[in-house]
Amino acid sequence: GDSVTQMEGPVTLSEEAFLTINCTYTATGYPSLFWYVQYPGEGLQLLLKATKADDKGSNKGFEATYRKETTSFHLEKGSVQVSDSAVYFCALTPNSGYALNFGKGTSLLVTP
Amino acid sequence: DGGITQSPKYLFRKEGQNVTLSCEQNLNHDAMYWYRQDPGQGLRLIYYSQIVNDFQKGDIAEGYSVSREKKESFPLTVTSAQKNPTAFYLCASSIEGSGNTIYFGEGSWLTVV
Repeated sequence: GDSVTQMEGPVTLSEEAFLTINCTYTATGYPSLFWYVQYPGEGLQLLLKATKADDKGSNKGFEATYRKETTSFHLEKGSVQVSDSAVYFCALTPNSGYALNFGKGTSLLVTP
Repeated sequence: DGGITQSPKYLFRKEGQNVTLSCEQNLNHDAMYWYRQDPGQGLRLIYYSQIVNDFQKGDIAEGYSVSREKKESFPLTVTSAQKNPTAFYLCASSIEGSGNTIYFGEGSWLTVV
């Protein structure tokens, strides 16, 4: 079935460092791809999305490009802040489905 | 304000008891979902509903039940048959159609004591 694999954390970075969180997927057809962020004790918030190949999603300095040839949707940010410390989830919805399939999440800690 | 409201935020249950988690949305979304979150395992789908009076099992439906009598409400009952119910439960909703953004509530913590 459709699935998502993302790099395991925790990831610890210094403020202003470059961030990459890897995400690859397995799916038939053309899934939609998402990154969600979860702050401690809270629900999930949509960070960005892409619905077709070569689309780039972006929000709050974060970017991810839907790469069908490598089945990837890596999350990047050029300069992280302490406030970016959270858990990041990569997810997909199948071509003909509704519900999200999630990766296991990557915890990010940014230190001053 | 539009959004998804889950209650209670924290709930303690004795073994052998059923408990119901509430989820209400005022976004006029057709589809609603329940996910369970355990540390290190990401989120797993329990049940989802695309329209009123209809719902489907997700990946881990055993020990859970739902109803969808109204468009805006999708309560989840954790029954005594659920062997390990302690977890963080997240309700979500979306408009109809594949690829549409799914929005989440703030979650409910259930602890079995």
